[in-house]
Amino acid sequence: GAGVSQSPRYKVAKRGQDVALRCDPISGHVSLFWYQQALGQGPEFLTYFQNEAQLDKSGLPSDRFFAERPEGSVSTLKIQRTQQEDSAVYLCASSPRLRGENSPLHFGNGTRLTVT
Amino acid sequence: AQSVTQPDIHITVSEGASLELRCNYSYGATPYLFWYVQSPGQGLQLLLKYFSGDTLVQGIKGFEAEFKRSQSSFNLRKPSVHWSDAAEYFCAVRGIYNQGGKLIFGQGTELSVKP
Repeated sequence: GAGVSQSPRYKVAKRGQDVALRCDPISGHVSLFWYQQALGQGPEFLTYFQNEAQLDKSGLPSDRFFAERPEGSVSTLKIQRTQQEDSAVYLCASSPRLRGENSPLHFGNGTRLTVT
Repeated sequence: AQSVTQPDIHITVSEGASLELRCNYSYGATPYLFWYVQSPGQGLQLLLKYFSGDTLVQGIKGFEAEFKRSQSSFNLRKPSVHWSDAAEYFCAVRGIYNQGGKLIFGQGTELSVKP
């Protein structure tokens, strides 16, 4: 596709369940980012990949959060044992450049996760 | 540490009126600056960016922003607002030497447009 694609668009999980959120970046984009956006807030950085390498995971809020990009294209964000505070929109973004220098991020429409 | 402040959580303007959304950043050097717009249920769309050079940058949809180093500000402006501009606006900063290019976002300003 032409843009960043995320699936599912909406996910409802019971507290304690595991979830997996998928991101298909723009073809050929080297850099991939995950952000978490709580209701009424700006996006908060979670993690960054350069190709298949996860170079920065400083924003992951706990060890329940895990992200991977094994072949340097599609990425999956996994949340184990979901908690209510995990309810948010999870945004994926990609960039064609290494380090994203001089290159804006292209965002997907996000996955809205609701934990009940 | 880098940070972005958008002092106005919610702004209402009349259609056809001018608009200015405020953004202040904290960073030790000149950062890369961005404005994004987000409509309900949508991702973030880039309006404009500042990397270097002319401090007045033009973006899409008739928006512009001015970088003022002395005030650490990057305010977004539009001379005449249209009803379709109602959305959430986010200012973001990225350090020049920030490996990976991760963005730090402000809290956002919600814009409502009165007919």
